Amino acid sequence: DIQMTQSPSSLSASVGDRVTITCRASQDITNSLNWYQQKPGKAPKLLIYDASNLETGVPSRFSGSGSGTDFTFTINSLQPEDIASYYCQHYFNLPYTFGQGTKLDI
Amino acid sequence: QVQLQESGPGLVKPSDTLSLTCAVSGYSISSSNWWGWIRQPPGKGLEWIGYMHYSGSTYYNPSLQSRVTMSVDTSKNQFSLKLSSVTAVDTAVYFCARFSGWDNYWGQGTLVTVSS
Repeated sequence: DIQMTQSPSSLSASVGDRVTITCRASQDITNSLNWYQQKPGKAPKLLIYDASNLETGVPSRFSGSGSGTDFTFTINSLQPEDIASYYCQHYFNLPYTFGQGTKLDI
Repeated sequence: QVQLQESGPGLVKPSDTLSLTCAVSGYSISSSNWWGWIRQPPGKGLEWIGYMHYSGSTYYNPSLQSRVTMSVDTSKNQFSLKLSSVTAVDTAVYFCARFSGWDNYWGQGTLVTVSS
C-alpha cells in the first residue's frame, strides 16, 4: 500500500496569513492526489483534485501543486471560515489512502 | 445527483458485530466504480476500512482484515459493512463513499459507539 505522510499535524495561523501543508507519498503517484477540507461533524469536502485542479465552487485562495511524491497545499489569505482539518488522499491505485491530517486553528 | 446514506445501530456492545448499510441513490451501484467505507474515531484522522467493486473484488485494511466483511446488494442498490468482535477502539464516525478516480461522493457519516 502507498503511505501518505502529511505535515504538520496541527497549525496555528492568523487571518490573512498564507498557510502551507505538505504531503509525501511513499512512491510515485504522478498527480493522483486529492486535498479535502473537513469541518466538525461533516464529511470531507473535495477542494483540489489531480494535485492542482480547483474543484468547482472552491475559492481561488486554495491551491495545490506537486507531482510524483511531493505535494503542497496552500491557502492564500486565510479566512475565519477556513478553520478545519485538511487531508490529502491518493488515488493512484487501490487502496486509496489518506494522510494523517492537519488541524488548522486561528 | 449521487447520494449515499449510512444506516445502522448507533450503539454496539463489545465483542458484538457492527453492521452498517449504505443506500445509494442517483447512481447504479453496478456501474464501474469502487465503493468504500472510511471511519474517523473521535478527534482523530480518516482511516480507510475497505473498498469493494460490485463484482465482488475487495481491498481490506490489513489492520482490520480479519474482522471486516463488505458485501453488495445490487437489487437494493446498497452495500454493507460488517466488523466483528468490536471493542471501544472501534468507536467512530463511519462514512460510506463512492470513488471513481479523483471523483468521489460521501455519505454524511454515522456515529457508532461501542459500549456495554
